[in-house]
Amino acid sequence: EAQVTQNPRYLITVTGKKLTVTCSQNMNHEYMSWYRQDPGLGLRQIYYSMNVEVTDKGDVPEGYKVSRKEKRNFPLILESPSPNQTSLYFCASSLSSDNSYEQYFGPGTRLTVT
Amino acid sequence: GQQVMQIPQYQHVQEGEDFTTYCNSSTTLSNIQWYKQRPGGHPVFLIQLVKSGEVKKQKRLTFQFGEAKKNSSLHITATQTTDVGTYFCAGKTSYDKVIFGPGTSLSVIP
Repeated sequence: EAQVTQNPRYLITVTGKKLTVTCSQNMNHEYMSWYRQDPGLGLRQIYYSMNVEVTDKGDVPEGYKVSRKEKRNFPLILESPSPNQTSLYFCASSLSSDNSYEQYFGPGTRLTVT
Repeated sequence: GQQVMQIPQYQHVQEGEDFTTYCNSSTTLSNIQWYKQRPGGHPVFLIQLVKSGEVKKQKRLTFQFGEAKKNSSLHITATQTTDVGTYFCAGKTSYDKVIFGPGTSLSVIP
């Protein structure tokens, strides 16, 4: 089954404790992206990747890192999480990097930073 | 910066009533996509519009892309409880970025 998976689905952590949220897709998609969703603000892009070893900042990249060593995986790293990073995070992938194709979203990761 | 706005933010309708959400961009868009997110779920792609003035239908849903390619609308005829969720538009800008609107949350009262 074609899908985007994220782990963990729920995470409660403390300020400053490094964490990684994994994202994997099995559709051989070139484009992958991370979004955060906050009430009233919709989906805001954190980072995106057009292909392996190619990543770029989205609209709200501060406090986040990503890597794209393999085509299928696109982990999101929070080196020193802070409470303002409490949010619902979605990973998404798309066939091509030209943004003319639909994005497939993962199930989401709800992160709470205390 | 470039922005995509949606109105209304919330809409409560009686089952059977029609519903419309509007999406407006500060700049011309290359294309616009619509997504639906059920409560507790993730966004799911509905449709993409590319041409100026384009209109597409999916059963009770009608999507429209404005002539100036700066606005779009989604109209649902005779809403059902299965239509509940948040509807997002996402516009592709001339810089190849995709910007999501804040969404319209639809509640349907049986």
